[in-house]
Amino acid sequence: EIVLTQSPGTLSLSPGERATLSCRASQSVSSSYLAWYQQKPGQAPRLLIYGASSRATGIPDRFIGSGSGTDFTLTVSRLEPEDFAVYFCQHYGSSLVTFGGGTKVEIK
Amino acid sequence: EVQLVESGGGLVQPGGSLRLSCAASGFTFSDYEMNWVRQAPGKGLEWLSYISTGGGTIYSADSVRGRFTISRDNAKNSLYLIMNSLRVEDTAVYYCARDVFKGSSLPGYFKDWGQGALVTVSS
Repeated sequence: EIVLTQSPGTLSLSPGERATLSCRASQSVSSSYLAWYQQKPGQAPRLLIYGASSRATGIPDRFIGSGSGTDFTLTVSRLEPEDFAVYFCQHYGSSLVTFGGGTKVEIK
Repeated sequence: EVQLVESGGGLVQPGGSLRLSCAASGFTFSDYEMNWVRQAPGKGLEWLSYISTGGGTIYSADSVRGRFTISRDNAKNSLYLIMNSLRVEDTAVYYCARDVFKGSSLPGYFKDWGQGALVTVSS
């Protein structure tokens, strides 16, 4: 089982700033089978990124996924008010799917 | 429009059983692999189980293997999760999720999610 560790736990930023979220895997993620989700209170998660860097349909280009191997990053280039939420990374493509613990992006 | 609607949640005593259902619409259900994911109050996401399009391949997390069973009825466009021997720590919102990782009989990433069904295990 691949363990995903997200950091930081909480990120306090202002609208317009850049957010950089990290997801580190306990072993190499094959074929970059890494996805990112956004979740707001009381809502289901929303798929942002799959394949480490491909944006899902309808996701603004300010959301940028990057990385390979064991280190992955989600960057939000300029935070909009609606981007303050919790973000999860996910490893897939194996018989055991795992999620990271999440990073909360809050308004400073 | 893709819709996934969970039902069957509620309050159950420790050791009890519950069956969750997920009604799918807006897409050809039989063409898509499906999953269950849960989220305990104030906690992160936990993947539980995957089922292939025809139901012949199933994977489950260690935490629920042997207690929870995923199944599907393609004729009824429905996904199920039968939960036995429930524990207090199974208290969570349970989501069904449509898998869009094509070309592999393995769990993928989840484009569409239901609104969730709350299961509370308490005496």
